[in-house]
Amino acid sequence: KAGVTQTPRYLIKTRGQQVTLSCSPISGHRSVSWYQQTPGQGLQFLFEYFSETQRNKGNFPGRFSGRQFSNSRSEMNVSTLELGDSALYLCASSLTGQRYEQYFGPGTRLTVT
Amino acid sequence: AQTVTQSQPEMSVQEAETVTLSCTYDTSESDYYLFWYKQPPSRQMILVIRQEAYKQQNATENRFSVNFQKAAKSFSLKISDSQLGDAAMYFCAYRSIGYSTLTFGKGTMLLVSP
Repeated sequence: KAGVTQTPRYLIKTRGQQVTLSCSPISGHRSVSWYQQTPGQGLQFLFEYFSETQRNKGNFPGRFSGRQFSNSRSEMNVSTLELGDSALYLCASSLTGQRYEQYFGPGTRLTVT
Repeated sequence: AQTVTQSQPEMSVQEAETVTLSCTYDTSESDYYLFWYKQPPSRQMILVIRQEAYKQQNATENRFSVNFQKAAKSFSLKISDSQLGDAAMYFCAYRSIGYSTLTFGKGTMLLVSP
């Protein structure tokens, strides 16, 4: 079974631009979560989607948004990019139910210049 | 809110030796899940081991085992017979019951020397 895939793997953007990152979960997984990883702040939760609905949201500004499609694929969008948005963005998927762990994708490395 | 603390930014071990990575957490919940994840230089986060708080028995996965001390809110990872492939960043993570969200510690970089 294919793992979690994320596209693109690397991205360079300029301050003020916007960016969209994509995540395809493992087949059958309906829950998708996004995390931001930086050297300073570590891993921080962004949001979680389940059945096309945002189920949980972390403490990030409104510039960060996401959505989930009917096939469980998810996108996250960052508008008006700032230098501090440079990070590794990780997507994780899981089966529904509390006993199931999350499986992570390889991440998208975003660099904002 | 829950917090997870990993007090060792970096640890070193020689091949075939045993190493223990520390993790403490703070929560007011009585039931929850704890995890250790491994992130090698390739960046793919991999689940190493999980522990359900209501289970008193410590989880074990081959060379990896945990020492779960619920009263002390401590969750350490022991790696036995360390291998070069164990070199990675290790993250301790907490998850509340009923939620998928993980709260991570800052991580411990494990260096393995021949």
